[in-house]
Amino acid sequence: DTAVSQTPKYLVTQMGNDKSIKCEQNLGHDTMYWYKQDSKKFLKIMFSYNNKELIINETVPNRFSPKSPDKAHLNLHINSLELGDSAVYFCASSHRTGVNSPLHFGNGTRLTVT
Amino acid sequence: QKEVEQDPGPLSVPEGAIVSLNCTYSNSAFQYFMWYRQYSRKGPELLMYTYSSGNKEDGRFTAQVDKSSKYISLFIRDSQPSDSATYLCAMRGTDSSYKLIFGSGTRLLVRP
Repeated sequence: DTAVSQTPKYLVTQMGNDKSIKCEQNLGHDTMYWYKQDSKKFLKIMFSYNNKELIINETVPNRFSPKSPDKAHLNLHINSLELGDSAVYFCASSHRTGVNSPLHFGNGTRLTVT
Repeated sequence: QKEVEQDPGPLSVPEGAIVSLNCTYSNSAFQYFMWYRQYSRKGPELLMYTYSSGNKEDGRFTAQVDKSSKYISLFIRDSQPSDSATYLCAMRGTDSSYKLIFGSGTRLLVRP
């Protein structure tokens, strides 16, 4: 069973569209994250939720809106997509209790905006 | 200047070689240091984790942290073609956000 699963795996869309990416984890973790990986492999955190509460909100355009219906799910909605949004978006989860808790990543959603 | 710097490579070595991967960082508050391995089209997976300074060994992998120099290393002994991947260092402090900061990754190719 996949521990952290994201859908869709690939997303190709045109500029100006709105799209959503979904993430689910079955590890029993209480904290979930969205990371963006650019073409140079640089992974940058966007958001983090702990028990449905937003705890990290980096400098991300407000066209990006995360939503956590419960602690096992974290979705990402993107409005008015731009060319620069093309990247791989990774969902991750961890236990927040204990600073040494490693992140478990999904396999990513490859977003291409044309 | 980025908080974490990592040579992007690619690094190409013959099978059996010892590989050294390195990161430098600027934030002295970082206390937890990790190495992730990322295969093509996959998510990063945790390889090694160390706290503060010192060495940690796990099979063919050894992680070293030198906090005085703000420098961390991952050594791979007897490298195998299956080790070909991108290796990302990551680190965090002890603040309540638990935010993990990643290096940009070093691409490693082990030639048979």
